[in-house]
Amino acid sequence: DAGVIQSPRHEVTEMGQEVTLRCKPISGHNSLFWYRQTMMRGLELLIYFNNNVPIDDSGMPEDRFSAKMPNASFSTLKIQPSEPRDSAVYFCASSSSRSGSTRGGEQFFGPGTRLTVL
Amino acid sequence: GENVEQHPSTLSVQEGDSAVIKCTYSDSASNYFPWYKQELGKGPQLIIDIRSNVGEKKDQRIAVTLNKTAKHFSLHITETQPEDSAVYFCASTDSWGKFQFGAGTQVVVTP
Repeated sequence: DAGVIQSPRHEVTEMGQEVTLRCKPISGHNSLFWYRQTMMRGLELLIYFNNNVPIDDSGMPEDRFSAKMPNASFSTLKIQPSEPRDSAVYFCASSSSRSGSTRGGEQFFGPGTRLTVL
Repeated sequence: GENVEQHPSTLSVQEGDSAVIKCTYSDSASNYFPWYKQELGKGPQLIIDIRSNVGEKKDQRIAVTLNKTAKHFSLHITETQPEDSAVYFCASTDSWGKFQFGAGTQVVVTP
């Protein structure tokens, strides 16, 4: 298995532009997580999906952030409009859970997307 | 919500010595405690995990201990090698099954 795939690996954009980050989870996994990592705040959970349904988006910082999971093999995280403070590394992770619960399952992380907003 | 504290923030050890990282958590319902290793430019990778029905688990040079009463768990790396240099994160699950990560420990193994 190729593991969790994220694209692009690096993104440099200007303030105000729309940014779309993409994730392909491990085949067969039914939970998907988007994290943001910064020096100041560490690893923060933004949103997670179970069986393609958003379960908890309380970590999404603002309405400028949105995430979708149209099918079991693809998810996007969109920032519109982007701001310099959105600069961070964004990770996608997936896991296999039982009975729709994410409790206690190993999460496999992708390589991340390093976003720089100028 | 769940709060995970991790110490120390940086740890420098001589090659061959042991390294210990400690974490505390607050949610007594937490039942899964993974440890991740993150190398520069890569995503976190699971190195060992422990569930609440186990007190200790070992995998070659790494081990994790869990004290549910005191709500703390620790990572032990023995016979450290330069390739152990990385950032290590502990995590616990909250009541909803979400991971709460510690702030991370930068481990530097000097030859």
